This record gives sequence, C-alpha cells and structure tokens, in this order.
Amino acid sequence: DAGITQSPRHKVTETGTPVTLRCHQTENHRYMYWYRQDPGHGLRLIHYSYGVKDTDKGEVSDGYSVSRSKTEDFLLTLESATSSQTSVYFCAISSLAVEQFFGPGTRLTVL
Amino acid sequence: QQQVKQSPQSLIVQKGGISIINCAYENTAFDYFPWYQQFPGKGPALLIAIRPDVSEKKEGRFTISFNKSAKQFSLHIMDSQPGDSATYFCAASMGNFNKFYFGSGTKLNVKP
Repeated sequence: DAGITQSPRHKVTETGTPVTLRCHQTENHRYMYWYRQDPGHGLRLIHYSYGVKDTDKGEVSDGYSVSRSKTEDFLLTLESATSSQTSVYFCAISSLAVEQFFGPGTRLTVL
Repeated sequence: QQQVKQSPQSLIVQKGGISIINCAYENTAFDYFPWYQQFPGKGPALLIAIRPDVSEKKEGRFTISFNKSAKQFSLHIMDSQPGDSATYFCAASMGNFNKFYFGSGTKLNVKP
C-alpha cells in the first residue's frame, strides 16, 4: 500500500455534532483528495487539494470543509453532521495528478 | 447527473470464464480512464488504465477495450478466478487536477 493512513477508521456520532477525519501520507505527494462511497453511486469527490493551503470543491462538497496546513495531512470536517453523511470516506493521493492511490477508508455513521 | 455509467451492477461468472464490465461517458474532454478493484473493507486499488489514443491495453489477464467514437470502454477479465471476486469501478478524468468521476461499480462473483 502507498503510505496513506486514515483516522479514525470507524466513528459513530450524533446528528449535529462536528466531525473531523484525518488523512496522513508519507509519500510527499502534491495532490490529495477526499471521496465518499455510497451504494449505487460509486465514489464521489468531495474536495481536493493541489498544494499546502490550496483546496477546491468537488461534486458533493455541500456540508464539508477541508484544510491542508502541511503536505502530509489533509483534514475533512463535517461542521454539523447529518444522517445523509453516513458513508465510507476515502482519501487518495497523487504525485502527478494521474494515478491516484487510496487509503483504507473511514466508516462514519451519523445517528 | 452521473458522468460515467457502468454496467452491469453485478456479475456472476464461472471459474475460467470471461468477465466483461462496460462503461460509457459523455464528456469528450476526458483523457484518462482507469479501472479500480476493491475488496471488502479495503480501499480501491488501480488495476489498469488507458488513454484515448489507444484502442486496447492488456496487462496479464486484464484488458481494457476503448471505443472513442462510441464513448465506451470495457474491462475484460480472461480466465476469471475466485480471487478476482471483488467490486470493480471504472473512472474517467481530465484537467490539471485529474478529478476522477467514477462509475457506480460492478460486484463480480467468480464461482469455483
């Protein structure tokens, strides 16, 4: 596996609470991505980063924010979690914005 | 609106048979078409990828066929094995940041 870790791996939270998911890489890759995976939808891009402090929205960014203060860390925050955000979240990294390598995922349940 | 449409949703193949998964896209600006394999509880892993300047790419038992005029591409798994049982995703991307658009996935079950 590429050097990508995600934390936590599992989380159960209540509606309305803030949640932060962390993606950490040891590959020094420039590009980082957050996806969510839901049955029947494949993976959908939430946000991505093309450098430290450089981020942009993906196709399903509503309700999510991100931050990247260091090359190795990309944080995804749900400001006020809703049940529709129950999903499996994957982080991916890429060096030349071509091939993407995925992390192990975080399973988030919002009650 | 889904940018990449994938079929079938599920597929059962006998050991030794050929598995075929199809994808179609609309945006002619896409210039990179990867296939990912995902086992339960794991992240997707790149299997094989193709650019639109070639019509076919083969790596071992896995082949991508690409039809630019029809805006379709497919994954063929020859001599399918039980170990190939997984979910397969096609994707398409374009642009400087290589944002991927994924198909909805195909769950393949290879019967021994």
